Amino acid sequence: ETGVTQTPRHLVMGMTNKKSLKCEQHLGHNAMYWYKQSAKKPLELMFVYSLEERVENNSVPSRFSPECPNSSHLFLHLHTLQPEDSALYLCASSQRPGNTIYFGEGSWLTVV
Amino acid sequence: LAKTTQPISMDSYEGQEVNITCSHNNIATNDYITWYQQFPSQGPRFIIQGYKTKVTNEVASLFIPADRKSSTLSLPRVSLSDTAVYYCLVGTYNFNKFYFGSGTKLNVKP
Repeated sequence: ETGVTQTPRHLVMGMTNKKSLKCEQHLGHNAMYWYKQSAKKPLELMFVYSLEERVENNSVPSRFSPECPNSSHLFLHLHTLQPEDSALYLCASSQRPGNTIYFGEGSWLTVV
Repeated sequence: LAKTTQPISMDSYEGQEVNITCSHNNIATNDYITWYQQFPSQGPRFIIQGYKTKVTNEVASLFIPADRKSSTLSLPRVSLSDTAVYYCLVGTYNFNKFYFGSGTKLNVKP
């Protein structure tokens, strides 16, 4: 138990669907992150939020839409995804940007 | 942004000490060095962090030479459960760009 909880753990969606990944951290941290991990590739930093404000967006396609309603919750809204978007999506948090980051268990996404 | 270079894979046997070295030639003055461990289908787990010299915790030791252009993660007496991918990260303490490299896949054999 890392203090970062992701749901769902597994998600299968069609290319025309709209779904969301949810992340909740119980650590009192102020920064939250989304990473993507594809097979045999390094983790890719997607988004960073600090105090609910997006401070980093690494050229992620607009079909991925993050939302951070408060410092404990982070969402990744998904729509019109492609099969190549199938990956493990990891949420993480830290006390503040740059501190040690703690990861959730990840959400496995399969786009069919 | 400091890039890191690690061996792609390493093999070891149970009970041995394992040392994984990471190169980060363009590390900045404010950068810290952090190591993570990742098991299949799980998120990376923090192992240890340091700035210079040596840091030790209950899991591992981290050795950083004076020039800080490399670092070595030392795992004492590994077991089969230490089989995982180990990532070296170099990041600025006051910013948020934690980029992961390809990591080192450690395979511990009986």
